[in-house]
Amino acid sequence: GQQLNQSPQSMFIQEGEDVSMNCTSSSIFNTWLWYKQDPGEGPVLLIALYKAGELTSNGRLTAQFGITRKDSFLNISASIPSDVGIYFCAGQLAGNQFYFGTGTSLTVIP
Amino acid sequence: NAGVTQTPKFQVLKTGQSMTLQCAQDMNHEYMSWYRQDPGMGLRLIHYSVGAGITDQGEVPNGYNVSRSTTEDFPLRLLSAAPSQTSVYFCASSPWTGVYGYTFGSGTRLTVV
Repeated sequence: GQQLNQSPQSMFIQEGEDVSMNCTSSSIFNTWLWYKQDPGEGPVLLIALYKAGELTSNGRLTAQFGITRKDSFLNISASIPSDVGIYFCAGQLAGNQFYFGTGTSLTVIP
Repeated sequence: NAGVTQTPKFQVLKTGQSMTLQCAQDMNHEYMSWYRQDPGMGLRLIHYSVGAGITDQGEVPNGYNVSRSTTEDFPLRLLSAAPSQTSVYFCASSPWTGVYGYTFGSGTRLTVV
């Protein structure tokens, strides 16, 4: 399957700090998605990106579709305790299949 | 609107037992899929379906069977459970176009002893 490399693997930050994470691939993707997974739950869609260079925000979250179409970035500003969870990127090559990254585990220390 | 419903939420099996994980969606989505989630490996696709009567293999299909007799239901069958199948299983669905991503169920945590 496609390899999506997500980094960092885990993050421990103080409440109020900004967070940056990214996802890279050797393949060119048509769509990038970012999901968040709370403990014991399924992933929930945060942001969807559809063209190279696109920058999209959802509240304190901002994501970008890399200009090469091989990467994507997610930033969280002014983190709060409820931001805790695992963040996944997902890329779509063609058709309806998405390939998922290995996830970034975020811990916010109050 | 229930979305994607998975049952059971937890299950313990003995090696060699068989069982079916249930998945149902009420959004009239054409596309449905099963993923397994293992630590450090993200979500890996097991099987998927693009509509009733049509299924196909994903990245890790061995040891699993699926069928899609209706648009709403997409059960996953473990034929003879093995400890390597201990994992968290997620069902997901989307409209055929898929550009808005998947809606996931809340998962089934399976332990094979």
